Amino acid sequence: KNEVEQSPQNLTAQEGEFITINCSYSVGISALHWLQQHPGGGIVSLFMLSSGKKKHGRLIATINIQEKHSSLHITASHPRDSAVYICAVNRGTGNQFYFGTGTSLTVIP
Amino acid sequence: NAGVTQTPKFQVLKTGQSMTLQCAQDMNHEYMSWYRQDPGMGLRLIHYSVGAGITDQGEVPNGYNVSRSTTEDFPLRLLSAAPSQTSVYFCASSRTGGRLAGAEQYFGPGTRLTVT
Repeated sequence: KNEVEQSPQNLTAQEGEFITINCSYSVGISALHWLQQHPGGGIVSLFMLSSGKKKHGRLIATINIQEKHSSLHITASHPRDSAVYICAVNRGTGNQFYFGTGTSLTVIP
Repeated sequence: NAGVTQTPKFQVLKTGQSMTLQCAQDMNHEYMSWYRQDPGMGLRLIHYSVGAGITDQGEVPNGYNVSRSTTEDFPLRLLSAAPSQTSVYFCASSRTGGRLAGAEQYFGPGTRLTVT
């Protein structure tokens, strides 16, 4: 069983819609990360969270430590948001990361 | 800063051939790692290093070797390529995070490897 589970696996939205991607994890963590990967492209870090909520432009990330759950929200979605969004966690004292399988988002104009 | 660089971007090997994937970072990060990404699976850790001269195995180390002679460089060697090693390989680096801090990872652009 994967220690990091994401849902949904695939998501199609109309431009302008509000989008939510969910991540649940089953282990103790020191931090949770949201990453973005465009088709054929590299991977960039969007957020690193250990508590609460962070906002960057139209992206919002939240984490509930007690429930072992995080969400990534995209407001006023745009076709350029089309990408795979990956949830990853740092466990314990190490720098090792454990990754979800990603959510593939397509935003249609 | 160039960040994390990887070469080559694409590579085709025949079964049994060996090669080295290069990775370098200019951020003075202590921690470096290699992942492979396969369809339908999350990124999986191959090997990692917490500093020059120190390496350790990750989740899927078989068929790969690494060394870390300098802080900047962390090459990944395929000893005898197999079709199962067809994948996209990412190198990443981060400062060594504390227990509560976590550490943001910086990824290279990836190497797409095909083994025939």
